[in-house]
Amino acid sequence: EDQVTQSPEALRLQEGESSSLNCSYTVSGLRGLFWYRQDPGKGPEFLFTLYSAGEEKEKERLKATLTKKESFLHITAPKPEDSATYLCAVRATSGTYKYIFGTGTRLKVLA
Amino acid sequence: EAQVTQNPRYLITVTGKKLTVTCSQNMNHEYMSWYRQDPGLGLRQIYYSMNVEVTDKGDVPEGYKVSRKEKRNFPLILESPSPNQTSLYFCASSRRQGGNHEQFFGPGTRLTVL
Repeated sequence: EDQVTQSPEALRLQEGESSSLNCSYTVSGLRGLFWYRQDPGKGPEFLFTLYSAGEEKEKERLKATLTKKESFLHITAPKPEDSATYLCAVRATSGTYKYIFGTGTRLKVLA
Repeated sequence: EAQVTQNPRYLITVTGKKLTVTCSQNMNHEYMSWYRQDPGLGLRQIYYSMNVEVTDKGDVPEGYKVSRKEKRNFPLILESPSPNQTSLYFCASSRRQGGNHEQFFGPGTRLTVL
């Protein structure tokens, strides 16, 4: 069964304290791994797509990496405005255009 | 402005009273999808559509219906809502080919079934 697990569930960081969020997955054949950011009361907002092991993407203080079993979202020198829930999702070959989301990591960055 | 719109944004209804949540996108996207979001369970896909008149089940389709008669619209129908369908619902759309397959999400519809 295709599955996505995110850890930790929640993370509190001081402003400037770098850290990483984890997304481990088991799928029959990966057609893409996606990272989204969700602010309270809003719909998820796209961050990155990764397609193959070894691929990396960067955007401001965020960097996403991918291996055959997991993805990391690295946050460098975070700011309070980075506080949000970060969601990981996969699209598997077995499901054509089916997407499976993890339960997310709630990040709080303290000033 | 490129966007996905959902209506209504909030709805309180009673068990068994049929309802429809509308979703519309103005980006000419082929792919559209419905999700529900529940605490501790995350986002779960209900139905998706790869193009007009083409729909398929996600992970939690029971109790829901969809139709895709026009490219821009993808309504979600609850024929006989039950309390376990109380949830936050999101519609999303994306290009089917090319690009990075990013999904654009609507603002959400908070549904309460009494």
